[in-house]
Amino acid sequence: GEDVEQSLFLSVREGDSSVINCTYTDSSSTYLYWYKQEPGAGLQLLTYIFSNMDMKQDQRLTVLLNKKDKHLSLRIADTQTGDSAIYFCAEMVGGGSQGNLIFGKGTKLSVKP
Amino acid sequence: EAEVAQSPRYKITEKSQAVAFWCDPISGHATLYWYRQILGQGPELLVQFQDESVVDDSQLPKDRFSAERLKGVDSTLKIQPAELGDSAMYLCASSALGSSGASPWNIQYFGAGTRLSVL
Repeated sequence: GEDVEQSLFLSVREGDSSVINCTYTDSSSTYLYWYKQEPGAGLQLLTYIFSNMDMKQDQRLTVLLNKKDKHLSLRIADTQTGDSAIYFCAEMVGGGSQGNLIFGKGTKLSVKP
Repeated sequence: EAEVAQSPRYKITEKSQAVAFWCDPISGHATLYWYRQILGQGPELLVQFQDESVVDDSQLPKDRFSAERLKGVDSTLKIQPAELGDSAMYLCASSALGSSGASPWNIQYFGAGTRLSVL
């Protein structure tokens, strides 16, 4: 079945860049997403990328997609303490009204001052 | 900015009791999702509605869980009876999904969730 894998933890210093990696299994995924979850809160959409794109940049966020290797990454430039959270990678599987999201287990990003 | 509303934020119950969670999606969003998120895991889909109809409830434990969206707007998720293993965050999401699945309309917007503790 479909599976999304992420490393569980990442620790960086404030001001450095953070790179969070994700691999997925469904080659027919149309969209891939990055969500952020702060403690006790719901999921906040950060960005998404369509499967025919290689890269998408949005302010401090850069998403890279290697469709051949089914590898997705999220780079956060100039990481701040407010970026400390859990980051979830998700793939859209299925189409039409049946499409739904498969999430990874999340990467906990810790930013040290 | 429009948000997905969920209540209550926290619920503590004893096993074998009944619990219910409520969700009001973003106005105009046709598709509504209920997810369960166990601590340390990603969200897993329980049920998906398109308007008032269930599209996917294959992962819903139907012996104890039920969900409804009677008028195609807000929705209720019920557990009866609750078990210890049901302790989790229950998240509701909505999207403006149309008939074509492959579009930015797929974007799912999440509520703050209901944290359930079963004692």
